[in-house]
Amino acid sequence: QSALTQPASVSGSPGQSITISCTGTSSDVGGYDYVSWYQHHPGKAPQLIIFDVSSRPSGVSPRFSGSKSGNTAFLSISGLQAEDEATYYCSSYIETNTLVVFGGGTKLTV
Amino acid sequence: QLRLQESGPGLVKPAETLSLTCSVSGGSFRTGSHYWGWIRQPPGKGLEWIGGIFYTGSTFYSPSLKSRVVITLDTAKNQFSLRLSSVTAADTAVFYCVRGGDSYGVEFWGQGTLVTVSS
Repeated sequence: QSALTQPASVSGSPGQSITISCTGTSSDVGGYDYVSWYQHHPGKAPQLIIFDVSSRPSGVSPRFSGSKSGNTAFLSISGLQAEDEATYYCSSYIETNTLVVFGGGTKLTV
Repeated sequence: QLRLQESGPGLVKPAETLSLTCSVSGGSFRTGSHYWGWIRQPPGKGLEWIGGIFYTGSTFYSPSLKSRVVITLDTAKNQFSLRLSSVTAADTAVFYCVRGGDSYGVEFWGQGTLVTVSS
């Protein structure tokens, strides 16, 4: 069982927008603005697409955006494209000797 | 550009110790605000945090693996290593070595290496 809870799957049509949730506790997501999101295509290494809740690394499309409310973080993808089909993971700093916790992943079907 | 490369046996017998090394190139290894870590993905499952280490030597481990994991640094060789003892088939996974950023997100990933636990 993952420390952060994500829906197992979401789907959308090309051009549409979707949102993926990531629910934790006040010890991780809710207590710190250290939420990150990753895009993972099969057979490749995951790629960081959001850090610090809503910041994008250089080169990441502005179609990807992040936000947070209470103990839940959100990843939104606008203007869905076929290449967005992947599994998305959230992670957060956690105030224990663990340091980082991950969500179980959400498979996006476009 | 920072590059990480995992190396180690692709097959480990049950009850033995899994050992992997990550070689770091293209950037500074001695960064106090970043951590060096390991993440794994069992077949058909999601990413799982194993643990990490800072340049200071401070280590952080997943509670579920803490009793079996040791992560160490070799600053002279720009490498860090993972040892996972008493492995079972459930430890079969693709193992990634990573570098975490100031805000604990994983900025850099190795390509991943599949380790199978089988007799």
